[in-house]
Amino acid sequence: DAGVIQSPRHEVTEMGQEVTLRCKPISGHNSLFWYRQTMMRGLELLIYFNNNVPIDDSGMPEDRFSAKMPNASFSTLKIQPSEPRDSAVYFCASSLATGVIYEQYFGPGTRLTVT
Amino acid sequence: AQKITQTQPGMFVQEKEAVTLDCTYDTSDQSYGLFWYKQPSSGEMIFLIYQGSYDEQNATEGRYSLNFQKARKSANLVISASQLGDSAMYFCAMREVLNTGFQKLVFGTGTRLLVSP
Repeated sequence: DAGVIQSPRHEVTEMGQEVTLRCKPISGHNSLFWYRQTMMRGLELLIYFNNNVPIDDSGMPEDRFSAKMPNASFSTLKIQPSEPRDSAVYFCASSLATGVIYEQYFGPGTRLTVT
Repeated sequence: AQKITQTQPGMFVQEKEAVTLDCTYDTSDQSYGLFWYKQPSSGEMIFLIYQGSYDEQNATEGRYSLNFQKARKSANLVISASQLGDSAMYFCAMREVLNTGFQKLVFGTGTRLLVSP
């Protein structure tokens, strides 16, 4: 079975450019999470969706960040305009909210570098 | 709010030895779940093991076991017979139930394990 799929795996962009990260959750999972990982701040939850509806976006750093989940099999995280401090690894994870354990399965991550 | 504490930034162990990675948690909930994830140098996050707060026995998954001490609020990961491939970052996490009824995971800061030959 396919796991969580993220694209691109690596992204290098210049400051001020728009960046769009994509995620396809595991089929059948109804919760989706976006995380950011940096050396300084560790693993931060940015936003999560349940049944395509954003539930908690308190981790989104500022208005430059936005996330959408138009259907159960696709989500995007957009940064516009991007800044060097946005450089990080961005993970998408999915889970079955009605499961007993509720473990999250992570994608391989997108390594973003903003110059 | 729930909190996860991993006090060991780094641990060293020799191949074939056992190692314990510490994790303590803080919660007022009666029902909760604890998780361990592994992050190798390639970067992906791999789910290892889970312990529910009402589980009477410590969870085990192959060479991984979770030493769950509820009174001490600790959920240490024990890796037996360490292998070179165990070198990675390890994260402890707790399931948090929000006021809305939805759930999310709260992660610790991680412990980097290095296994030497």
